Amino acid sequence: GAVVSQHPSWVICKSGTSVKIECRSLDFQATTMFWYRQFPKQSLMLMATSNEGSKATYEQGVEKDKFLINHASLTLSTLTVTSAHPEDSSFYICSHPSAYNEQFFGPGTRLTVL
Amino acid sequence: QKEVEQDPGPLSVPEGAIVSLNCTYSNSAFQYFMWYRQYSRKGPELLMYTYSSGNKEDGRFTAQVDKSSKYISLFIRDSQPSDSATYLCAMRVGQGAQKLVFGQGTRLTINP
Repeated sequence: GAVVSQHPSWVICKSGTSVKIECRSLDFQATTMFWYRQFPKQSLMLMATSNEGSKATYEQGVEKDKFLINHASLTLSTLTVTSAHPEDSSFYICSHPSAYNEQFFGPGTRLTVL
Repeated sequence: QKEVEQDPGPLSVPEGAIVSLNCTYSNSAFQYFMWYRQYSRKGPELLMYTYSSGNKEDGRFTAQVDKSSKYISLFIRDSQPSDSATYLCAMRVGQGAQKLVFGQGTRLTINP
């Protein structure tokens, strides 16, 4: 299957700071990537669709000015959580569709905001 | 009502048992159905991918889709302790870069 990496795997930050999470597709050029958030013992909730070379599409209820997405190349999408607060603490996971329309996920980034 | 309903469990069975995991859904437009396995604090791993109704088998895993009942299942035969994880069903309407809708996930424990 496709290989997707995320960096960092775990980040702790102070309230009010910004955190950038990288999602890389290692073996597939992805024009589209997806960003999900997963709270403990809950399912994945789609936050936004990242489109290479254009603006991201955000799901209802997700603040686009707080969760900045940049998809500057076919192998890299970044999610920046701006002015993070404790309620933003969660597990953030990216994914991309393969050539066969399956979707492959990264290992996730655990964000803890103090 | 959620688009996809999945019993969160937890489900605990002895090693070697047959496990049945299920999801129901309300959107009749869903055509592509997936099962993912997720270990604690890891990203989901694709287990099975099926299109429309029918069965698909891969080793100890069998996926079933019944579109008329809006019901999908994942069966695990000869369950192993290493199968202990959260299993998520997911589905989407169309091909390509279409967003997935996930079930809540079922936490499964296989006891040695």
